[in-house]
Amino acid sequence: GEDVEQSLFLSVREGDSSVINCTYTDSSSTYLYWYKQEPGAGLQLLTYIFSNMDMKQDQRLTVLLNKKDKHLSLRIADTQTGDSAIYFCAESIGSGGYQKVTFGTGTKLQVIP
Amino acid sequence: DAGVIQSPRHEVTEMGQEVTLRCKPISGHDYLFWYRQTMMRGLELLIYFNNNVPIDDSGMPEDRFSAKMPNASFSTLKIQPSEPRDSAVYFCASSLGGAGTDTQYFGPGTRLTVL
Repeated sequence: GEDVEQSLFLSVREGDSSVINCTYTDSSSTYLYWYKQEPGAGLQLLTYIFSNMDMKQDQRLTVLLNKKDKHLSLRIADTQTGDSAIYFCAESIGSGGYQKVTFGTGTKLQVIP
Repeated sequence: DAGVIQSPRHEVTEMGQEVTLRCKPISGHDYLFWYRQTMMRGLELLIYFNNNVPIDDSGMPEDRFSAKMPNASFSTLKIQPSEPRDSAVYFCASSLGGAGTDTQYFGPGTRLTVL
């Protein structure tokens, strides 16, 4: 079945790197995503990775995927106070025209100035 | 485009009252999703529509919840009668298609408090 788990909270100092981790259970995941939710707002897609990739880099963001261990991580380099938010890991499963997306519980990132 | 629009942003009501949440998806998007977010259960998919047709409502918690999409630019989520355990943030999202590369764009949410 589908289950996506994350730690609830992470605190880092401004300028340091942040690493947010996620584990999922369904090995048939097609895409894995990272969404960001700022206070009082909806989720916003940050990046995604296809399941046959190991790594994806996008400016300060690096996504690592270990498909064998069903482990996904998001590294934010040079973390800024504006990065404070809740980060959701998600996976998509399915074939054909529709892929069901299941979200994790979210990790609240606190950046200390 | 203004993005996904939801109204109201905040709703406070008393137990037993009917609540209607509204959503305007991004123009041209064929998929519309309703989610509920709580501290205890995280983000749950309630129902989704494709081309205005409800496809999967298995996440709707009870018969007290109903959703409609009368046209491509409007959807409602209704709770009747409302109960305190329905208190949550309700998000509407839309996407161009249903493929894994089709980004879901979320609205700002409606924070519902049932007293």
